[in-house]
Order: sequence, then structure tokens, then C-alpha cells
Amino acid sequence: ETGVTQTPRHLVMGMTNKKSLKCEQHLGHNAMYWYKQSAKKPLELMFVYNFKEQTENNSVPSRFSPECPNSSHLFLHLHTLQPEDSALYLCASSQGQESPPLHFGNGTRLTVT
Amino acid sequence: GQNIDQPTEMTATEGAIVQINCTYQTSGFNGLFWYQQHAGEAPTFLSYNVLDGLEEKGRFSSFLSRSKGYSYLLLKELQMKDSASYLCAVRDSNYQLIWGAGTKLIIKP
Repeated sequence: ETGVTQTPRHLVMGMTNKKSLKCEQHLGHNAMYWYKQSAKKPLELMFVYNFKEQTENNSVPSRFSPECPNSSHLFLHLHTLQPEDSALYLCASSQGQESPPLHFGNGTRLTVT
Repeated sequence: GQNIDQPTEMTATEGAIVQINCTYQTSGFNGLFWYQQHAGEAPTFLSYNVLDGLEEKGRFSSFLSRSKGYSYLLLKELQMKDSASYLCAVRDSNYQLIWGAGTKLIIKP
């Protein structure tokens, strides 16, 4: 059982849709992360929030918009995505941004049609 | 650039021992991590090495040589449930995690 919960588990959306991914952590951590995982590729860090403040944005296209209303919740808002954005989106948390290890959620499998 | 190399796929037999290697070239070093990821599930933390040597945790052990930029994960007494992907990650001088693409381990009866 994971202390990091992601919803939905699966999402299919058209290129003109708007949807949001949700992540909630029950571990009392202060840092939260969004990662993209594509087949046979390394995990790609997208965004980092530390104490609700965004500290990392790894040149992610603006069609991905993160939101962190508090230390326990993280959202990824999606709009006008491209088929190449289809991937597994993983949320993770850690005690602090420099405090390993990361605890991951089960991810949202996104398919863009 | 920064790079982590690990084999794409390995096959082993139930009850045997397998060693998954990871080599890295990074800007500085602040620790190496191994994660296990079953298909469709979250990566879960296995081990953390920051000093040279072997760390043993039950059936799993992880080794680090900083001078060689090398680590391995050793799995003993393999079980079918060990079939998973194993991810190697290194934390660089900026405390950024650099990830390998993962090694898919297939266990055969």
C-alpha cells in the first residue's frame, strides 16, 4: 500500500480536452514531484514543490500546469495535449527536497488520442 | 552530460542469484538509489548507498564503488515476485536525481 495516492489511474483524452491529475500524500512530507515515465526511457522530472512553493520546472511545455494548494495535495492540469504526451505520470513525495528517498504513487496512465 | 547506464533486460531462474549493474557519469555524487517497479505500480525504494561497499538487506544487497562510478544490485534466492523493473538513480552535486532507464528482470520457473 502506498502513502501517495493518484487519481485517476487511467485517462484517455482528446487533444482539445482539459483534464486534471490529482495526487495526495498521507506521509507528512513537505516536497512533492511530478514525473513523466515513457517506455524504456528514464524518469523525467517535470515539477517540484517544496513547502508549497514551486522550485523546479524542467522546461515543461505550458500545456502542463501544476498546482500545489497545500503540502499534501498536488495537481497537474492538462490542456491541448499532443499524442507524444501519452505516458505514465507519477507523483512522488519526500520529507524535504533534499531528503531521500522518494515515495511514489501508482501513477496515471495517460493516453492522448 | 550526465548519464546512467543499466541493461535493458535480464532473465534469471527462480532460486538463483542475479546481479544488475549500473554505471554512472554525473556532475558530483550525493548518493545512489535502487528502486523496484512492478508493472502498473509505483516504484518502491530498495536501497541507498553513499559510501563505498556493500549494503545488505535480506535477499537484496547493493554495492557501490564511487571511484569506478559503478553500482550493482544483487538479488538472491530469486522468487517469481521479483519479476519487475529495477531503476538506478544517482543524486548529483545539485541534489538532482539522475535516473537510468531501468532493467526489466524476468524470472523463469
